[in-house]
Amino acid sequence: DTGVSQDPRHKITKRGQNVTFRCDPISEHNRLYWYRQTLGQGPEFLTYFQNEAQLEKSRLLSDRFSAERPKGSFSTLEIQRTEQGDSAMYLCASSVVGVEQYFGPGTRLTVT
Amino acid sequence: RKEVEQDPGPFNVPEGATVAFNCTYSNSASQSFFWYRQDCRKEPKLLMSVYSSGNEDGRFTAQLNRASQYISLLIRDSKLSDSATYLCVVIFSGNTPLVFGKGTRLSVIA
Repeated sequence: DTGVSQDPRHKITKRGQNVTFRCDPISEHNRLYWYRQTLGQGPEFLTYFQNEAQLEKSRLLSDRFSAERPKGSFSTLEIQRTEQGDSAMYLCASSVVGVEQYFGPGTRLTVT
Repeated sequence: RKEVEQDPGPFNVPEGATVAFNCTYSNSASQSFFWYRQDCRKEPKLLMSVYSSGNEDGRFTAQLNRASQYISLLIRDSKLSDSATYLCVVIFSGNTPLVFGKGTRLSVIA
């Protein structure tokens, strides 16, 4: 499968724990995006990378959130000291500049 | 402010019906427009881009009205498999990410 992959697909954690998600984009795509989606809402932008450079961060991305794309390939999104409000689907997408974004299957996070 | 507004529905229509969704956006300088489809508990997938001249893909027709700042999606001869959430998406300027509406739920009933 040459699409965008995300790992894990589901994560249940207790409030206060740290979690890390991984996204592997389509191999020739230089842009990688992270979105968050809650029930009944459309996806909301969190941050994006062009190659290894993080070009934009949303105000939704509090200090507890950090994202990296160290070699311009896969990316990780870490949430520290999780809160119940962090429960959501975390979607990764990749694209070539100026072309359609392809989404991965998402990581569903539940904070108990 | 960058906003995309949609009627959340649900729209419940019989098979074979024609259904239309509208979406409004906040910035007249917006550059690019799309409709994405999202099935329950799945990722969004691009349905079609929306061009100024309007465009058609089989049973689906998308139109853009820049003066009134809205886009529309028309689905003809609805199929059961069209049941999904349809997300209106705007790129407000060249280097910004997608801005999604909340989505419109469609249920096509046999």
